[in-house]
Amino acid sequence: DAEITQSPRHKITETGRQVTLACHQTWNHNNMFWYRQDLGHGLRLIHYSYGVHDTNKGEVSDGYSVSRSNTEDLPLTLESAASSQTSVYFCASSELPMGGELFFGEGSRLTVL
Amino acid sequence: SQQGEEDPQALSIQEGENATMNCSYKTSINNLQWYRQNSGRGLVHLILIRSNEREKHSGRLRVTLDTSKKSSSLLITASRAADTASYFCATGNDMRFGAGTRLTVKP
Repeated sequence: DAEITQSPRHKITETGRQVTLACHQTWNHNNMFWYRQDLGHGLRLIHYSYGVHDTNKGEVSDGYSVSRSNTEDLPLTLESAASSQTSVYFCASSELPMGGELFFGEGSRLTVL
Repeated sequence: SQQGEEDPQALSIQEGENATMNCSYKTSINNLQWYRQNSGRGLVHLILIRSNEREKHSGRLRVTLDTSKKSSSLLITASRAADTASYFCATGNDMRFGAGTRLTVKP
């Protein structure tokens, strides 16, 4: 069955370190998204990609970057982790660019000390 | 800023009762989606209702959409303990989510 997997599921890091969260999907979807989830804020869109070599900023993109070198993967990089980036991160993919059904990974819980 | 806003924030009912949660949004939409999230898990798509639809059913789920009021409701009938989860609406081409309704179904 097709799926979307995230790694690591849990990570603790220190302020200022670079962190990369991996996302891999086997749906063969062109469209991939990264969200962060915080209490009281729901899910907020960080970055998204409509295809290979395409990346776009979302609502809360400062401090984050993504790159898309193939269809299956959209890694999320925190260039210099800050305590405000402690959150649960979700990757999702969709058949449609926007407004389509999203298929979510299980999430990556990141703690920045 | 959030596009969808769910209400209530939390809802606690007994097994067998119906659960109703609401979503309000601010701008015009092409469709509205409802998702469910079990504790510690990713979100799972439940149902999509298009802007030209007023009501949609899927099993024990009933979704209504009132575009004039910019609101939607999700009704879960004959709830079960396994329905305990958070429920989110998502709207807009940029798929903005609200903070969710946390539903607890007591056995």
